[in-house]
Amino acid sequence: QLHLVQSGAEVREPGASMKVSCTTSGYTFNIYGISWVRQAPGQGLEWMGWISGFNGNTNFAQKLHGRVTMTTDTFTSTAYMELRNLTSDDTAVYYCARVGLTNGFYFFDVWGQGTLVTVSS
Amino acid sequence: SYELTQPLSVSVALGQTARLTCGGNDIENKNVHWYQQKPGQAPVLVMYRDSTRPSGIPERFSGSNSGNTATLTISRAQVGDEADFYCQVWDNSNAVLGGGTKLTVL
Repeated sequence: QLHLVQSGAEVREPGASMKVSCTTSGYTFNIYGISWVRQAPGQGLEWMGWISGFNGNTNFAQKLHGRVTMTTDTFTSTAYMELRNLTSDDTAVYYCARVGLTNGFYFFDVWGQGTLVTVSS
Repeated sequence: SYELTQPLSVSVALGQTARLTCGGNDIENKNVHWYQQKPGQAPVLVMYRDSTRPSGIPERFSGSNSGNTATLTISRAQVGDEADFYCQVWDNSNAVLGGGTKLTVL
């Protein structure tokens, strides 16, 4: 069975950093990518970026450039998303989602359970 | 940047047909994907490449894409279909998500 299991909730102070993990199972990690999507309280979904499980290539949403890093550990089939210099606007549930690497398969077909990150002093 | 426009809310009577729209410039030239999100849960893919249903999604769900509008159609709507629905495309290597439509079954 396909599973994406994310790390637990975090509370961070403004200006700090957060790092969420997404451990995958049930498929070959390096023939898919992982996208990260977040959802602020009561708001819609916001795409943050993606990373290839094949070669580590990344692409980030313009508004997050310079603050976000996405990495993978192919030995543990785990993806990581780090966001720095947090503000209250970064308070959200963060989701990882599997995405295909082949044209026509660029959709998010399996999702993690979500990780709530609260930024508060 | 590319934008997707979805109505904030759609209501449908129990057992009737709901049509959820997603507007975008020449969207017919893009693959449109749809996600359903119920309160407190992660989104679920319900349609990909305009009109293909993933395994496990009822045949009551169908999709189309023409001109500047993609449509997710839910036939014989059930109370269990109530959720937020998001459309999504890719544009210049960036995923673009619509603002979401809240579906209410009356």
